[in-house]
Amino acid sequence: DAKTTQPPSMDCAEGRAANLPCNHSTISGNEYVYWYRQIHSQGPQYIIHGLKNNETNEMASLIITEDRKSSTLILPHATLRDTAVYYCASLVLSGGYQKVTFGIGTKLQVIP
Amino acid sequence: DTGVSQNPRHKITKRGQNVTFRCDPISEHNRLYWYRQTLGQGPEFLTYFQNEAQLEKSRLLSDRFSAERPKGSFSTLEIQRTEQGDSAMYLCASSFPDARGGGYTFGSGTRLTVV
Repeated sequence: DAKTTQPPSMDCAEGRAANLPCNHSTISGNEYVYWYRQIHSQGPQYIIHGLKNNETNEMASLIITEDRKSSTLILPHATLRDTAVYYCASLVLSGGYQKVTFGIGTKLQVIP
Repeated sequence: DTGVSQNPRHKITKRGQNVTFRCDPISEHNRLYWYRQTLGQGPEFLTYFQNEAQLEKSRLLSDRFSAERPKGSFSTLEIQRTEQGDSAMYLCASSFPDARGGGYTFGSGTRLTVV
């Protein structure tokens, strides 16, 4: 399982884009990159995932480098409600085996 | 379906006592996972089930821990002879086999405090 590393904390001004980096240099070819976020006292909430290509949904965009050793989660217009801990994680889907391995996360503070 | 449900939300117990937590997954999901999260850390994998079969257990899951999913629906996690180091948030998640639809759906967790 790939180990993911993230900066422990980041600030972002409300209304600006939040760019959260993740390093996963040991990721293997069949491991997906997943992003979750966790608001205090709640379980992690799925945001987005990808394997090789960049992905976008209604919440965020995921940019994965061509070598797949790092990725960036982009929240295009951060709001105060986006203040949370964001986890970059790896997931293996192979032969019925599936496990998400989390890093320690980045605490994002959106500032008014 | 209202998502993954965990009970109780909070549990305070004295050291040495046994505790049991319950998780009710999303009904369509046949995979169920238990994770443990301590303060300032990401969730750590404990074990997972496919239907009623327990397919993997982490080394974190000592002999004092046992998990069951008797009919492939709800699951229980029991900790015997609790220790202060067991204090953590215990998270349950469920998923489809191929992680479609966003991988895991987590419950809100059970926060255990051992005094």
